[in-house]
Amino acid sequence: DAGITQSPRHKVTETGTPVTLRCHQTENHRYMYWYRQDPGHGLRLIHYSYGVKDTDKGEVSDGYSVSRSKTEDFLLTLESATSSQTSVYFCAISDKDLTEAFFGQGTRLTVV
Amino acid sequence: AQSVAQPEDQVNVAEGNPLTVKCTYSVSGNPYLFWYVQYPNRGLQFLLKYITGDNLVKGSYGFEAEFNKSQTSFHLKKPSALVSDSALYFCAVRDNADSGYSTLTFGKGTMLLVSP
Repeated sequence: DAGITQSPRHKVTETGTPVTLRCHQTENHRYMYWYRQDPGHGLRLIHYSYGVKDTDKGEVSDGYSVSRSKTEDFLLTLESATSSQTSVYFCAISDKDLTEAFFGQGTRLTVV
Repeated sequence: AQSVAQPEDQVNVAEGNPLTVKCTYSVSGNPYLFWYVQYPNRGLQFLLKYITGDNLVKGSYGFEAEFNKSQTSFHLKKPSALVSDSALYFCAVRDNADSGYSTLTFGKGTMLLVSP
């Protein structure tokens, strides 16, 4: 899967707890993205990064924050998890022109 | 703002028959269009893309897509479906953001079921 690793692959957490998901790439791509996948909604963009320490919000950013301190790592944090954040989260990477994007295997997060 | 519509939640086709999965889009400027496939419990896999050039684009696993600018459509096709093609298919468009930093907007997905 194009050198993208997401961790953890599965997580169950309690409402109100903080959660951090990690995306690690070995492709040295500049752009990294976090999407969530929900039935009936397809994939929706949460946040993206266009360089180290350069990030921006996507369509569904409320309740999420991100950080990118190194080219290869892009972290997604749920400051205080809610049941509505139960979802499958995908990380993606792309070249500067976004002529192709590569996706990780996904993280299934359940908030109980 | 850009958008993608996949009007069918599910498409059913018999093995050996041709298949079409529909996609229409809305975006300012020249469209960059993509099709991805997702098998159960897997990430998305790239199938094909249209950036410029021929309106008929060929991709992986025998799939092709036809770009139609006047109808703002990018339908996915395959001449002869296989049971192993059964999966969830996503159409996506690259937005041409004023900021210069592009993102992909996805449709809601179409489940393709190919019966033996």
